[in-house]
Amino acid sequence: GNSVTQMEGPVTLSEEAFLTINCTYTATGYPSLFWYVQYPGEGLQLLLKATKADDKGSNKGFEATYRKETTSFHLEKGSVQVSDSAVYFCASDRGSTLGRLYFGRGTQLTVWP
Amino acid sequence: DGGITQSPKYLFRKEGQNVTLSCEQNLNHDAMYWYRQDPGQGLRLIYYSQIVNDFQKGDIAEGYSVSREKKESFPLTVTSAQKNPTAFYLCASSIGQPSNQPQHFGDGTRLSIL
Repeated sequence: GNSVTQMEGPVTLSEEAFLTINCTYTATGYPSLFWYVQYPGEGLQLLLKATKADDKGSNKGFEATYRKETTSFHLEKGSVQVSDSAVYFCASDRGSTLGRLYFGRGTQLTVWP
Repeated sequence: DGGITQSPKYLFRKEGQNVTLSCEQNLNHDAMYWYRQDPGQGLRLIYYSQIVNDFQKGDIAEGYSVSREKKESFPLTVTSAQKNPTAFYLCASSIGQPSNQPQHFGDGTRLSIL
């Protein structure tokens, strides 16, 4: 089964609105968790990561906190911009040492001016 | 600048034809990966390699083949056995160990059937 479940999109917001994209994971052990962003026609770029419980990853105004008690890693941003329009992917390494990642299905975000 | 280069950006395949997608990295990364992206399905792992001359099947390896003769290169061949090859293909690399290091992605190759 899928190790990472993220909120289905599309998500449409007005500029300066608050963003939450939910992500939950299943894993044995202590996985590392990641958020990637994909702009149209491009590959994925790492947005932020967290490697242990209660860690908060942050970058470009985005934040996500590793919550072991709820197995969640929700992405948040206080005030979105038009330039944040992209597809966002949550990913986990499942606590494996093999180096591979397991991705959620992606959430399309569109921000209108 | 270090990075991952995928070529070509667009590729067309005829029925019964094998095609090879190129992936080169100059990041000195040990591990490399190939993903297939279809609308609404996220990324699915095709093959990965943690070290030169070694690779493992991912979740959807049927109809694909790879080689890892050099650290910098991890080409993917889409064979005629892959009946639905139309997709966006992404190559990635990482340091490998420890596994909590992020993967770096190329800009992808879009493959279509003629």
